[in-house]
Amino acid sequence: GNSVTQMEGPVTLSEEAFLTINCTYTATGYPSLFWYVQYPGEGLQLLLKATKADDKGSNKGFEATYRKETTSFHLEKGSVQVSDSAVYFCALAGVSGGYNKLIFGAGTRLAVHP
Amino acid sequence: DAGVIQSPRHEVTEMGQEVTLRCKPISGHDYLFWYRQTMMRGLELLIYFNNNVPIDDSGMPEDRFSAKMPNASFSTLKIQPSEPRDSAVYFCASGQGRHEQYFGPGTRLTVT
Repeated sequence: GNSVTQMEGPVTLSEEAFLTINCTYTATGYPSLFWYVQYPGEGLQLLLKATKADDKGSNKGFEATYRKETTSFHLEKGSVQVSDSAVYFCALAGVSGGYNKLIFGAGTRLAVHP
Repeated sequence: DAGVIQSPRHEVTEMGQEVTLRCKPISGHDYLFWYRQTMMRGLELLIYFNNNVPIDDSGMPEDRFSAKMPNASFSTLKIQPSEPRDSAVYFCASGQGRHEQYFGPGTRLTVT
């Protein structure tokens, strides 16, 4: 079946460190891929997306590249800030019919310390 | 656009009472989703609608839960009777076609 697997957290980093959160997926067809972020006490916000192989999504210094050959969509940021502390969810959509039902990973908590 | 609007933001109720959560999707979006988030189970899709019609309610926990979408700008999720294990944050999200979903701020439900 269709699924998303994320690295387990929490991930704890010092400010200005490099961030990688791994995400791999299993899907039939050609899904769209997303990263969502959830700050404490808030709903999920779309961080970035990629709709086809080799696309790179980017936003707020975060990047992720849709790698069909490795079925991966790893999230990276060159220099994290304390304000990036949140839970990050990888997700896929569009693998069945015409609807956009999202399949989420379990989420990875990131804690950035000064 | 104001984004997805949910009300109330917080709800505290006693076991056995009826609870109604409300959602106003983003104008023009033809999909609406209800999710539940808990520490134990993470984010669960309960039900979703397309053009106001329920498409998949396989995530609804049991008959105590029901959802309606009487028009394109309003949806409700009702729990009757409520139980302590229903305590969670409930999110509504809306989207269009094969595009991303936009989430509301959530309703934190506590059943005592």
